[in-house]
Amino acid sequence: AQSVTQLGSHVSVSEGALVLLRCNYSSSVPPYLFWYVQYPNQGLQLLLKYTSAATLVKGINGFEAEFKKSETSFHLTKPSAHMSDAAEYFCAVSRPGYSTLTFGKGTMLLVSP
Amino acid sequence: DAMVIQNPRYQVTQFGKPVTLSCSQTLNHNVMYWYQQKSSQAPKLLFHYYDKDFNNEADTPDNFQSRRPNTSFCFLDIRSPGLGDAAMYLCATSRGGGREGYNEQFFGPGTRLTVL
Repeated sequence: AQSVTQLGSHVSVSEGALVLLRCNYSSSVPPYLFWYVQYPNQGLQLLLKYTSAATLVKGINGFEAEFKKSETSFHLTKPSAHMSDAAEYFCAVSRPGYSTLTFGKGTMLLVSP
Repeated sequence: DAMVIQNPRYQVTQFGKPVTLSCSQTLNHNVMYWYQQKSSQAPKLLFHYYDKDFNNEADTPDNFQSRRPNTSFCFLDIRSPGLGDAAMYLCATSRGGGREGYNEQFFGPGTRLTVL
């Protein structure tokens, strides 16, 4: 079975500060990992994905994440937060050969001026 | 632009009155998914179709049914909505197969269901 744990249901940062959203996974096989963003009353949009290639993955809107097998982590970072980054972020895991995703509970990112 | 479309965006129904939510896609993807998302929670997979093969999650209530008449369309039927079924319903698609690059799911904007 696979699972995802997102530490912190809410994260608050100031505009221009570093964004760090934490995700740890559990998987019996090498996983595929994803970060999605959801704005209010919208669907989910893919930010980035890890599928066994480079461990440092760059995504849209300046976000990146690093796959660390030893730590079973896939934390999402952005060097400088923008007001438009305020949204809910979901980490998800799947495994090769399967198309379904298991989502974490989400982290709401709040950005203050 | 290729996309996933959900209609309507907002749906109001009465307790016990059947309701159907619609999803269409122009991506020509093999797999279509229906998720239920309640406030401040993660999306919960209800079921998915791999082509015409229907896959129901073990804990999806019998009250929820789905139809996929062709590649492009998929419907979610709630036979007798209860107050607890009020949620955002998200449709997603993927190419399927689980191979690298095929797991990415593309989501529609969702339908917010209110049950009175």
